[in-house]
Amino acid sequence: DQQVKQNSPSLSVQEGRISILNCDYTNSMFDYFLWYKKYPAEGPTFLISISSIKDKNEDGRFTVFLNKSAKHLSLHIVPSQPGDSAVYFCAAADTGGGNKLTFGTGTQLKVEL
Amino acid sequence: DTGVSQDPRHKITKRGQNVTFRCDPISEHNRLYWYRQTLGQGPEFLTYFQNEAQLEKSRLLSDRFSAERPKGSFSTLEIQRTEQGDSAMYLCASSSGQFGKTEAFFGQGTRLTVV
Repeated sequence: DQQVKQNSPSLSVQEGRISILNCDYTNSMFDYFLWYKKYPAEGPTFLISISSIKDKNEDGRFTVFLNKSAKHLSLHIVPSQPGDSAVYFCAAADTGGGNKLTFGTGTQLKVEL
Repeated sequence: DTGVSQDPRHKITKRGQNVTFRCDPISEHNRLYWYRQTLGQGPEFLTYFQNEAQLEKSRLLSDRFSAERPKGSFSTLEIQRTEQGDSAMYLCASSSGQFGKTEAFFGQGTRLTVV
């Protein structure tokens, strides 16, 4: 079963606008959430994370929001830049279980000029 | 370069052959993970080490797969009698294992093609 879901396979946004990527999870044991960015033929690059004790974490243009009651998190990128075009993966961890990551299937973001 | 390093980047092998991949983690990280990614999917957990101890293996890791991390430094992942279904990107990641430091940092991966 897919414990981490990214229901939008792709998203297209204009340069300068906000990109919002969504992620849902089902496992209540997950207490740490991460976003990774991946370019073709490369490994995932860590972007930003959030602990379940918080509902928001911000780092420059990237903000992650966590809604525990809805088991939902989102990544906001503002302003979006062409270099942000990549596949974005949501990942979750149960920190009591070795911190192994469970990934979603990814969302392909395209930022257009 | 102090990031996670994987070798080789690409491997093409004939079905039935054995292959071995190497991962060198970030030097101060005591946790090392192996993941596998196939087309259209996110990375899937295979196994992880805390120092030299292999603490967990996924059910995805069949008997043909074996991983080692001698002396808690680099790690190897061997696949015996490769099958076409083994074709995937094999990713290695490391993390510090410290409380509050859950982020794992990935290498560039080894792309395996079994023909």
